[in-house]
Amino acid sequence: EVQLLESGGDSVQPGGSLRLSCATSGFTFRNLEMTWARQAPGKGLEWVSTISESGGTSHFADSVKGRFTISRDNQRSMLYLQMDSLRAEDTAIYFCVKGSAFDSWGQGTMVSVSS
Amino acid sequence: DAVLTQSPLSLAVTLGQPASISCRSSQSLVHSSGNIYLAWYHQRPGQSPRRLIYMLSYRDRGVPDRFSGSGSGTDFTLTISRVEAEDVGVFYCGQGTHWPRTFGQGTRVELK
Repeated sequence: EVQLLESGGDSVQPGGSLRLSCATSGFTFRNLEMTWARQAPGKGLEWVSTISESGGTSHFADSVKGRFTISRDNQRSMLYLQMDSLRAEDTAIYFCVKGSAFDSWGQGTMVSVSS
Repeated sequence: DAVLTQSPLSLAVTLGQPASISCRSSQSLVHSSGNIYLAWYHQRPGQSPRRLIYMLSYRDRGVPDRFSGSGSGTDFTLTISRVEAEDVGVFYCGQGTHWPRTFGQGTRVELK
């Protein structure tokens, strides 16, 4: 069974940083691209970033480019999202998503950015 | 960016009746491979999204066959042949052909 367990969400002030983690199991992590997506309160889904199988290539939404970094540890089957220079508009539930075809989603971790 | 526009944004349906949701893309979603990477997701209240349909018309494992996807390069449809109570929630289309990946605004489905 595929499992995706996000952690690291918290309340931070604008300009702050957070690192989200996603522990995965139930599939061959190293063989798949992985994705972070988010959903602001009461809003729709937004793709944030995708990383290649090796970690050598990544893509970012314009809204987070230059502020967020995605990484992975294939030995530990872990996915990460380093979020810097956080803004109020980054407030959302952040989902760890299996593959670049979004075939399985974690339960999400809440990030709240406010002063 | 490939902007996905869903309609309607809200849908009140009767149990056992059919329902359909449209998703239109501002760009063709035909990939250079010839595949169309258009998917449909369902999000029940308080839950994370679940993918129902991928590559235009393939149902994910465990998805009831009352759900079907169809369409062409820019116009897509999710059809529910007979709505059940568990179908309440928000349905999203999403594309995986172009960067950045994008989603439609969502269609909220409720029971009459």
